[in-house]
Order: sequence, then C-alpha cells, then structure tokens
Amino acid sequence: QSALTQPRSVSGSPGQSVTISCTGTSSDVGGYDYVSWYQQHPGKAPKLMIYDVSKRPSGVPDRFSGSKSGNTASLTISGLQAEDEADYYCCSYAGRYTFVVFGGGTKLTVL
Amino acid sequence: EVQLVQSGAEVKKPGESLRISCKGSGYSFTTYWIGWVRQMPGKGLEWMGIIYPADSDTRYSPSFQGQVTVSADKSSSTAYLQWGSLKASDTAMYYCARRYCTSTSCYLGSYDYWGQGTLVTVSS
Repeated sequence: QSALTQPRSVSGSPGQSVTISCTGTSSDVGGYDYVSWYQQHPGKAPKLMIYDVSKRPSGVPDRFSGSKSGNTASLTISGLQAEDEADYYCCSYAGRYTFVVFGGGTKLTVL
Repeated sequence: EVQLVQSGAEVKKPGESLRISCKGSGYSFTTYWIGWVRQMPGKGLEWMGIIYPADSDTRYSPSFQGQVTVSADKSSSTAYLQWGSLKASDTAMYYCARRYCTSTSCYLGSYDYWGQGTLVTVSS
C-alpha cells in the first residue's frame, strides 16, 4: 500500500479537463509545500510536471496545474490531448526520517 | 546536455550480489543529489534513497534501509546502487534521478533528469 492515495484511473475526452487527487497526512502532503507530480508513459522514465505544489519546470505546458488543500494535493490537466494519456504519480516530502513518499499512481485515459 | 546513463539489464539468482550504476554527464555531478527509485513490474514508484556525491551524504527510505547501499564515485561521476544478497522480490526496474535545482534553490522530492532505468531480474 502506497503512502499517498490516488485514484487508480481517471478519464476524459480531448479538450476537457481532469483532476487527479493525492491524499496524504499531516506528516507529508499536509505538512509541507513540497508536492511534485510525475508523468510516465509506458516503458519510459517518469517526467517532472509540477514541483512545490504548483510550479511548472521549464517546458511543461501551462495546461498542467497543481494545487493543495489540507492533506490533499491535486493535479489538473486542462485541454486534454491524446499525448496526455499516461500514468501520473504524486510525490511528497515526508520529513527527515521518511524523506520522500509516492502515491500509487493514476492511469489517465483520453477517450 | 544533461544525461544520466544507467548500466544494462541484469539477470541474477537469489543470494547473489549486484551493483548497478548511473553515470552523470553534462553538469557538475558533485553538486546535485542523485536519488534511486524502484518500480516493480506493473506497479508504482517507490523512493529508495539519495546521495550527495560531493561528500557522499546518504539518506534512505525506512523501507530500504539495510536492504541496499547507495554510493558514488566523484572521479567517474557515477552513482551506484548495490545489494549484498538479492531476493526474488528485488525484481524491478530501478531508476536514478537528479534532484531538481534552479540557480536559486533545490526542491525536495523533485527530480528533473532521469536515467533510462536498469531492469533487474532475480530468479532461480
């Protein structure tokens, strides 16, 4: 069982928006503004999409946005495109003993 | 161009030892933390540990503490992940990744460059 809880799957049609949730505790998501999100296509390495809850690295489209409320972080993808179909993982800093925890991953299907 | 190039796939028997590598290039290897992430077949990502090559300061996830050893060689810009005695449950893809830093800050839990992965298969 993963430390952070994500829905196993979400889906949306091209052009629509989808939101993926990531629920943790006050010891990880709720305790720090250090949530990141990764996109992973089959057979590929993960790609950083969001860091520090809502910041985008250079080159990541602004269709991807992040937020957090309490112990739950969210990734929203607007204007869905076929190439967004992938697995998405949230990740949070969890203090100086556990360090980093991942969510179980969410499979996004673009219908 | 920043690159992390990992060693090739391995097939081992239970009880054998193994060290896999991750060679960094295109940046100052010693000044970025390198982390290791496990992905078991069909499963999610698991953070294993991290090392700062400049002084070999190392941190481990409690789940992997004592199970693996992370190390680095500054002279060859290479990080390593090793096992003393492999188990079938160590079968997985292992990724190395560089902790994300800008000119002003480094970001906890964020990794911007990843290796291609090393598939480790442990089977009798």
